[in-house]
Amino acid sequence: DAKTTQPPSMDCAEGRAANLPCNHSTISGNEYVYWYRQIHSQGPQYIIHGLKNNETNEMASLIITEDRKSSTLILPHATLRDTAVYYCIVRSPGGGADGLTFGKGTHLIIQP
Amino acid sequence: GAVVSQHPSWVICKSGTSVKIECRSLDFQATTMFWYRQFPKQSLMLMATSNEGSKATYEQGVEKDKFLINHASLTLSTLTVTSAHPEDSSFYICSARAQAASLTAAFFGQGTRLTVV
Repeated sequence: DAKTTQPPSMDCAEGRAANLPCNHSTISGNEYVYWYRQIHSQGPQYIIHGLKNNETNEMASLIITEDRKSSTLILPHATLRDTAVYYCIVRSPGGGADGLTFGKGTHLIIQP
Repeated sequence: GAVVSQHPSWVICKSGTSVKIECRSLDFQATTMFWYRQFPKQSLMLMATSNEGSKATYEQGVEKDKFLINHASLTLSTLTVTSAHPEDSSFYICSARAQAASLTAAFFGQGTRLTVV
């Protein structure tokens, strides 16, 4: 699976959009981008995933650049409960039988 | 999303005793379940991959005789920490992937905080 790079921490004001970047410059053509988050002392929570088109669900939007070397997770209206560590993970469909490799992620702190 | 239930959410045990942690997929069948360990201020580290009806595959450095994994059905995997010691104190997390669905996300349990005293 391709390596990802994320900033270690970010702050965002409550009610504003939180934009979390992820670089995955070595991503290959069949690899998907997944985002998870982990609120303190809980298991990771799946947020969203995509291949090359932008994706949106009830939690967030995922914007993937045209060259697929980077992506941005957008939480449109951040709340205090969105404070968590956010992980960007790249994996191939054939890696379904493998566990996920978690990097250090981005610690997003939502400020009141 | 799919629900994965992990039990217990926390446990305190004496050094030398064994502890069993259960991981259940509540609304889907999981041929593969994964066990992770997370130490304070660190990221999750994969310990082992559990396949229904076969032996688990352990990551390098994880002792298979100490961390016994059983995956007897498509909805249940258990992790037993045998002869626990204080250095085994950690946050243990399981995840499960739906059967024959490699493209879908893996879903995680809520984790088990193990404290060995």
